[in-house]
Amino acid sequence: AQKITQTQPGMFVQEKEAVTLDCTYDTSDPSYGLFWYKQPSSGEMIFLIYQGSYDQQNATEGRYSLNFQKARKSANLVISASQLGDSAMYFCAIRGTGANSKLTFGKGITLSVRP
Amino acid sequence: DTAVSQTPKYLVTQMGNDKSIKCEQNLGHDTMYWYKQDSKKFLKIMFSYNNKELIINETVPNRFSPKSPDKAHLNLHINSLELGDSAVYFCASSQGGPGLAGARTYFGPGTRLTVL
Repeated sequence: AQKITQTQPGMFVQEKEAVTLDCTYDTSDPSYGLFWYKQPSSGEMIFLIYQGSYDQQNATEGRYSLNFQKARKSANLVISASQLGDSAMYFCAIRGTGANSKLTFGKGITLSVRP
Repeated sequence: DTAVSQTPKYLVTQMGNDKSIKCEQNLGHDTMYWYKQDSKKFLKIMFSYNNKELIINETVPNRFSPKSPDKAHLNLHINSLELGDSAVYFCASSQGGPGLAGARTYFGPGTRLTVL
């Protein structure tokens, strides 16, 4: 079984500042992947970043980086230099590597960027 | 080119009706999914098909019946619609295999179903 926990209430950040969105996970799979997706008000699911459980380095994609702490089972998303367009809902998800794997999502965090 | 497409984008219907949502992916992926996003934005897997074969069925009422005519298409038919079926339904696909290339899941734009 897999579980993602996102407990932060709505988050606010000033434009151009950095923000960290928390995610903790639980899984019995020895190998897994962690994902972050962004869902703006328009509704589409946008892939942001991926971290494999055996990756040696923390993932980065442009202004997004993932602070992966395997022993603590956390995979926090860091967004640097926030922009107004970053205002959205952010979902952390986990997926095992077996044939029947699927994404299991957390409940999401709403981020609002203030001008 | 749209990777995962689904139609219709909006669906408004009366309780008790039967409706279908269609999904197509042009990524050549072997696995397709249906996810449901409820009014609290929680996303949950409903079904997964691998190469036209059902591999995940997550305690979904049997009023919901997925059909995969080929590995590029996965349709969702819903019988006797109920108020609680109102949600956004996302179709998705992934290739499978190791690493990001296999695990990354591509989502369609979603179908907002409203049952009156």
